[in-house]
Amino acid sequence: NAGVTQTPKFRVLKTGQSMTLLCAQDMNHEYMYWYRQDPGMGLRLIHYSVGEGTTAKGEVPDGYNVSRLKKQNFLLGLESAAPSQTSVYFCASSNPTSGRALEQYFGPGTRLTVT
Amino acid sequence: SQQGEEDPQALSIQEGENATMNCSYKTSINNLQWYRQNSGRGLVHLILIRSNEREKHSGRLRVTLDTSKKSSSLLITASRAADTASYFCATEETSYDKVIFGPGTSLSVIP
Repeated sequence: NAGVTQTPKFRVLKTGQSMTLLCAQDMNHEYMYWYRQDPGMGLRLIHYSVGEGTTAKGEVPDGYNVSRLKKQNFLLGLESAAPSQTSVYFCASSNPTSGRALEQYFGPGTRLTVT
Repeated sequence: SQQGEEDPQALSIQEGENATMNCSYKTSINNLQWYRQNSGRGLVHLILIRSNEREKHSGRLRVTLDTSKKSSSLLITASRAADTASYFCATEETSYDKVIFGPGTSLSVIP
């Protein structure tokens, strides 16, 4: 099993450009998450999904959109990138029991720089 | 807003010593988890303790949970240089299907 994979690993954008980050998991997990990690801030939840076709906002959703058309994929979109979105983005998945999120499996991250 | 707050922010110890990190949180939780992150890598789950548990062990790791004080501690015994990493606590609140991470503790183990 590859676990959780993220594409791309690195990206540099100019302000105003758009891009999509792809997360894929092969563990048949129901829940998927997108986080951003900034120095001294830990991980902050952007959006998450509790199943195919569903999405919900996390702590810092502004400027991002997501889609979960297939159970194994969770896409994060930046419509108009801003320098404040320079960060490392992590995708994670989990398989809940009795509706609880439980242990999360993380991808290797995408380092995004917006100039 | 962050649910968990780790303490200390940074910790430096000699190999063989024990390392203790603390986590405080604000609201009722279903469970609390600890994760490790090596530099430039994704997070790896270490251990989960449920709200009705007080202590849990896994190898050299010992986690305690005090729900009355809304706090948890992670003890790593007989530390090794390979334990050098950032450690995060994450809490799953009772009303949400997600976990909230704290800012982390950076641990350096000096050989």
